[in-house]
Amino acid sequence: QVQLVQSGAEVKKPGASVKVSCKASGYTFNNYYMHWVRQAPGQGLEWMGIIHPSGGDTTYAQKFQGRVTMTRDTSTSTVYMELSSLRSEDTAVYYCARDLIGDSRGFDPWGQGTLVTVSS
Amino acid sequence: EIVLTQSPGTLSLSPGERATLSCRASQSVSSSYLAWYQQKPGQAPRLLIYGASRRATGIPDRFSGSGSGTDFTLTISRLEPEDFAVYYCQHYGRPPYTFGQGTKLEIK
Repeated sequence: QVQLVQSGAEVKKPGASVKVSCKASGYTFNNYYMHWVRQAPGQGLEWMGIIHPSGGDTTYAQKFQGRVTMTRDTSTSTVYMELSSLRSEDTAVYYCARDLIGDSRGFDPWGQGTLVTVSS
Repeated sequence: EIVLTQSPGTLSLSPGERATLSCRASQSVSSSYLAWYQQKPGQAPRLLIYGASRRATGIPDRFSGSGSGTDFTLTISRLEPEDFAVYYCQHYGRPPYTFGQGTKLEIK
């Protein structure tokens, strides 16, 4: 079955960087974009960016430009999201979610989420 | 950027009742690239509806979506206890992808 399995929770200090992974299985990796979405405690969903699995092309939300980097490793069907210069407002659950290339049908499924806590 | 505004913020209903959730876009959503998600506490969002009206795989037929252009609706025909959750609409298909702020469906 299709699965997106994310790395475990992280605690970081302000100014540090965090790198979250999302390992895909159960489908052809190159046929689906991967998105990253975050959710601050008690808040709504915020789209961060998208990566094309084969070419590695990325598009980031303007809010995160210069602070986020999305990469992928096709040999392990894993995508990564690195966020730098962390501040307390970056405390959130970070999700990956796949999106069919060429016939988008929304984000389905989503990873289980990775809690990133930024605290001194 | 397309801004999505959901209403109401909170909807209080009883099991068996009908729920109607609204999502209004700041500009026309092309090709009905409008999706709805359900999120329960501590869980990732789950896709319910895409293309404004198409149910995702495994979604019960009590969930239906409608609308076009700038006005969209999610209807749950007869609420089951497991339907009480937060619901988000989303514009997808081209960046920037945006979400509404959510509607909390709570038990009355």
